[in-house]
Amino acid sequence: DVKVTQSSRYLVKRTGEKVFLECVQDMDHENMFWYRQDPGLGLRLIYFSYDVKMKEKGDIPEGYSVSREKKERFSLILESASTNQTSMYLCASSLRGEVEPQHFGDGTRLSIL
Amino acid sequence: RKEVEQDPGPFNVPEGATVAFNCTYSNSASQSFFWYRQDCRKEPKLLMSVYSSGNEDGRFTAQLNRASQYISLLIRDSKLSDSATYLCVVLPNTGNQFYFGTGTSLTVIP
Repeated sequence: DVKVTQSSRYLVKRTGEKVFLECVQDMDHENMFWYRQDPGLGLRLIYFSYDVKMKEKGDIPEGYSVSREKKERFSLILESASTNQTSMYLCASSLRGEVEPQHFGDGTRLSIL
Repeated sequence: RKEVEQDPGPFNVPEGATVAFNCTYSNSASQSFFWYRQDCRKEPKLLMSVYSSGNEDGRFTAQLNRASQYISLLIRDSKLSDSATYLCVVLPNTGNQFYFGTGTSLTVIP
């Protein structure tokens, strides 16, 4: 079974802090994704990566950055956290070039106070 | 226009009922389609892929209509445990970005 692990289930940070969310997958997937999910808005793509050191902006990249130094790890960084970044953050991975679905981590519920 | 659109519901149905959800997509060249299930405060989990010829998994049937650009999910003999949000997901033939619908909420009532 594919395993996607996110570093924290719940996280509380303060406005202005730099926040790191980590995601690790164990299936050698090329693609990795970060989403946020808010009531009524569904999943919105923040960034994705299709290879080590490669990244692409999603629909809502503002206020975020990412890092992919190793194939199995994809980090999401909130440069200076703000209250409107309070959300559920979901990491996913998938194979490239295949008819293969995404597999999600458990999610991180982040609160910015 | 959104890439993927779903009726948010909610759908409230009695146990044993048959319920169907539709999802429309805008990119006619889309190649892969999926239904995910998401329980409250949990991550989305793959329910089933949708194949061109349609496919069935127990009480669940998924169908694709390329001409009208929609996919459907049919649930027969609904169980209380089917209560969840069902997400439609589309992968276009270009790039690696998946497009998610906002989900359809289903509550099965005893």
